[in-house]
Amino acid sequence: DGGITQSPKYLFRKEGQNVTLSCEQNLNHDAMYWYRQDPGQGLRLIYYSQIVNDFQKGDIAEGYSVSREKKESFPLTVTSAQKNPTAFYLCASSIAHGQGTDTQYFGPGTRLTVL
Amino acid sequence: SQQGEEDPQALSIQEGENATMNCSYKTSINNLQWYRQNSGRGLVHLILIRSNEREKHSGRLRVTLDTSKKSSSLLITASRAADTASYFCATCDSWGKLQFGAGTQVVVTP
Repeated sequence: DGGITQSPKYLFRKEGQNVTLSCEQNLNHDAMYWYRQDPGQGLRLIYYSQIVNDFQKGDIAEGYSVSREKKESFPLTVTSAQKNPTAFYLCASSIAHGQGTDTQYFGPGTRLTVL
Repeated sequence: SQQGEEDPQALSIQEGENATMNCSYKTSINNLQWYRQNSGRGLVHLILIRSNEREKHSGRLRVTLDTSKKSSSLLITASRAADTASYFCATCDSWGKLQFGAGTQVVVTP
């Protein structure tokens, strides 16, 4: 899982609550990403950040929010507006975005269950 | 919708056999990457092949890319029980955005 950590590994949330997933990297990478994975499916991009204090919506950003105040950290908040938040969430980073160095390094993931 | 589509969805082989899985995609790409995921874990990058490359090797892995057919294949030779995992292809566009397929689940039995 490289130098990317995600916490917690398992998270349970009641409906109507916001919850924040942590992602930290010590790889000195500029770009960071959040993906969602549902059973038997591939990854779908939620948000990505190319540089500190900047981030862009991915394919399924509705109901999620992010911040990028530090290069090492890219927390994801799952808000109560997300209709079906139960999923496996993966954070990734890469040296840069869109400059031919596109290999992404993934964290171990957080499994979120809404009760 | 997902850019890459893997085939087959699942594959069961015995140790020592080769495993081949295919990936088809729809739009132009900058490169194509293969990742591996053990159950309940994050993804691990295996190999990247650029759009102007046709074949690439890494240890027991061989990847081919046919841009005219918009397809790629991943071959794992002399498989081991430790190769049991899900394998995903991901296409990368000129903006650096990755789009993943649904994956091929590979089971290698001793």
